[in-house]
Amino acid sequence: AQTVTQSQPEMSVQEAETVTLSCTYDTSESDYYLFWYKQPPSRQMILVIRQEAYKQQNATENRFSVNFQKAAKSFSLKISDSQLGDAAMYFCAYTNSGYALNFGKGTSLLVTP
Amino acid sequence: DVKVTQSSRYLVKRTGEKVFLECVQDMDHENMFWYRQDPGLGLRLIYFSYDVKMKEKGDIPEGYSVSREKKERFSLILESASTNQTSMYLCASSLSGGAPDTQYFGPGTRLTVL
Repeated sequence: AQTVTQSQPEMSVQEAETVTLSCTYDTSESDYYLFWYKQPPSRQMILVIRQEAYKQQNATENRFSVNFQKAAKSFSLKISDSQLGDAAMYFCAYTNSGYALNFGKGTSLLVTP
Repeated sequence: DVKVTQSSRYLVKRTGEKVFLECVQDMDHENMFWYRQDPGLGLRLIYFSYDVKMKEKGDIPEGYSVSREKKERFSLILESASTNQTSMYLCASSLSGGAPDTQYFGPGTRLTVL
């Protein structure tokens, strides 16, 4: 079974600074997909960014970018110019099936003024 | 705008009661999912469905069942609620296709079993 590990239960960043959230995963597959989801307090979970394993180029969505290291099985999320609205629980997720996602345990991000 | 709705935001039930959690999506998605979210454990898959009347067990199906009679609706059933089923329950849906699609989540139902 594939496992997803987020080693940082909590992180803190100051507004306008950059923060990196870590994620590692374990798989024997060569073709798979990785995601970062964001869950703001009392709000719905939404997709932040996705990465296809066959693509070497790191995905980017505005202030959010990933550092995908396939050989190391690492998939970190970088948030640049952090804003108060970025405060949330962030989940890393993996799938190779097109169906269910395997989630990590989450990283709680606090953004301070 | 895509929408996944869940019948209740908060629910309090007694041990032994039969509990129904309803999820409806308006995006014509083939896939629907039920997850359970607990602090420090992340999200764990209970069941998913890839078509009407089709279902597959996830990682923690014990004590739960599901029903999908219509494409837009996916129900989670606790046949006899127990206190260890107190949790946040999240429903999600996605398109079916060659590549995994984004999952869209509902707001969650926080269930307390007394």
